[in-house]
Amino acid sequence: NAGVTQTPKFQVLKTGQSMTLQCAQDMNHEYMSWYRQDPGMGLRLIHYSVGAGITDQGEVPNGYNVSRSTTEDFPLRLLSAAPSQTSVYFCASSYSKGGNGYTFGSGTRLTVV
Amino acid sequence: GENVEQHPSTLSVQEGDSAVIKCTYSDSASNYFPWYKQELGKGPQLIIDIRSNVGEKKDQRIAVTLNKTAKHFSLHITETQPEDSAVYFCAATLNYGQNFVFGPGTRLSVLP
Repeated sequence: NAGVTQTPKFQVLKTGQSMTLQCAQDMNHEYMSWYRQDPGMGLRLIHYSVGAGITDQGEVPNGYNVSRSTTEDFPLRLLSAAPSQTSVYFCASSYSKGGNGYTFGSGTRLTVV
Repeated sequence: GENVEQHPSTLSVQEGDSAVIKCTYSDSASNYFPWYKQELGKGPQLIIDIRSNVGEKKDQRIAVTLNKTAKHFSLHITETQPEDSAVYFCAATLNYGQNFVFGPGTRLSVLP
């Protein structure tokens, strides 16, 4: 079982560049989400999806875009990278109403210079 | 919206001692409280969780207690081992599987 797969693991971008962080899960989870992790601030929700074709904003959505065309995939797009977006990004998925907690990917460490 | 506080931010214990991490939440409607362990360079992993209709849950050396009146919940680790050293996060949500709000984390060090 692959679980939640994130690519790439590391990325360096220049200010103003765009890129897509990939996330795929093979557990048929309805719910998928993106968090960013910054020192001393825990994990903050960027965007989430409760099913294919449905997305919504979390706590810190500015500068990010998402889409959910299939149940398995939930890519996160950085439209014009800024140094403030330097962070570790985690994708997580779950059954929406199962109370089973999230399964996290292994993360993408992004540096914007 | 929900806000989760977590204390302490760092905790050092001797191997074999117990460790307790406490979290408080703001929204009395929150109904699910998971705990995650994150090792260096890895994603968080669920270690234990509790629903709002339960006061305590135990899994071997790990237990979680919930006080809905005071709006706090705690992680208890007994007989700590060096491999328990990690960052621990608590979380709360109003919708069992969705939109968890995380605490800032506790770095636990178990000294041999």
